[in-house]
Amino acid sequence: AQSVTQPDIHITVSEGASLELRCNYSYGATPYLFWYVQSPGQGLQLLLKYFSGDTLVQGIKGFEAEFKRSQSSFNLRKPSVHWSDAAEYFCAVGGYGNKLVFGAGTILRVKS
Amino acid sequence: DVKVTQSSRYLVKRTGEKVFLECVQDMDHENMFWYRQDPGLGLRLIYFSYDVKMKEKGDIPEGYSVSREKKERFSLILESASTNQTSMYLCASLGQELNEKLFFGSGTQLSVL
Repeated sequence: AQSVTQPDIHITVSEGASLELRCNYSYGATPYLFWYVQSPGQGLQLLLKYFSGDTLVQGIKGFEAEFKRSQSSFNLRKPSVHWSDAAEYFCAVGGYGNKLVFGAGTILRVKS
Repeated sequence: DVKVTQSSRYLVKRTGEKVFLECVQDMDHENMFWYRQDPGLGLRLIYFSYDVKMKEKGDIPEGYSVSREKKERFSLILESASTNQTSMYLCASLGQELNEKLFFGSGTQLSVL
């Protein structure tokens, strides 16, 4: 069965520091992978997605993620975090015409 | 503008009531999903549907059923609401084309008293 693990429940980084949020997945075929962000009281916003091709994916707001098949990972990165990036981040995995399963989320706090 | 509409933003029901949550999408998408979101647990898939009258159980289907009589509408039914079903419920839809993205509704916060 497909599953997603986000090992970090909370992460705190200083404004301007780099960020990496971890995501590990389990899926029997080539996965579709997503990162979503949810700000307090807001809906889910798609940051980026991977379907095929280049394993380094660029998204909105300066985020990128790298698909590593050998490690079953799809970690989200940003070189310099802004205070407005404080939110909850969700990784998701699915397949064509298949269900989409989300991780439990990582709450990002940004120190000024 | 593309849209996934959930009929209620907030809903308060009593234990044992039958509850209907409605979701409508205007994008002609084949796939529709119902999730519930709870703090610390992320989004958990309740049911999904990949075509009219087709449905598949997600990870936590117990206590829920669904209906998809028309392509644009996907309903979640709580046959007999219980307090542990108090949660935020999110509907989503996804097309069959590659490079589609998942569109979410704004959610229904259900409280069962």
